[in-house]
Amino acid sequence: EVQLVESGGGLVQPGGSLRLSCAASGFTFSSYEMNWVRQAPGKGLEWVSYISSSGSTIYYADSVKGRFTISRDNAKNSLYLQMNSLRAEDTAVYYCAREVGAATITSYYYYMDVWGKGTTVTVSS
Amino acid sequence: QSVLTQPPSASGTPGQRVTISCSGSSSNIGSNYVYWYQQLPGTAPKLLIYRNNQRPSGVPDRFSGSKSGTSASLAISGLRSEDEADYYCAAWDDSLSGRWVFGGGTKLTVL
Repeated sequence: EVQLVESGGGLVQPGGSLRLSCAASGFTFSSYEMNWVRQAPGKGLEWVSYISSSGSTIYYADSVKGRFTISRDNAKNSLYLQMNSLRAEDTAVYYCAREVGAATITSYYYYMDVWGKGTTVTVSS
Repeated sequence: QSVLTQPPSASGTPGQRVTISCSGSSSNIGSNYVYWYQQLPGTAPKLLIYRNNQRPSGVPDRFSGSKSGTSASLAISGLRSEDEADYYCAAWDDSLSGRWVFGGGTKLTVL
């Protein structure tokens, strides 16, 4: 069974740091791109960061650029999100999501097909 | 404020057909595929529609998606109580340094 399990969330003071982990199982982790997506309380989904299968290509949302760092360890089937200089507005449930690629006759496309259950980050004094 | 625009709420009675709209721009919906996710209360999002109108295995054919220009819609026919959830549209955005943009979500209530 394909599964993603996030961990590492908790309560942290503004300005603090936290490292989230996402453990993957049931598929060849090293073959897939991965994303972090967050959801603030009562709000919609917000894409946070992307990492390619090899880790060579990384993107961030402007709201976290310079503060968050995405990484992966394919040998350990794990995805990470190092979060520094945390702010109250970073309070959210953080999901890791697998990204798959597929092709039509004329194009290639990607989408997030499997999501973990999420881990809660609360930034408060 | 979300990049893609969805109505905050929708409702219907069992058996009815409801549609949820998603409006974007030329840099996202206008030039990329649209995806829909269902989020049941207290759970993670689940892929409902990919590539505008394709259903993953296991998703009932009561759910259908369409796209025209810079807008898309999700239709649910034969509405059931278990369809009560939040629904999100998503797409790539070519104008950003990142990859994905989402709608603000539509809470569907089955009356």
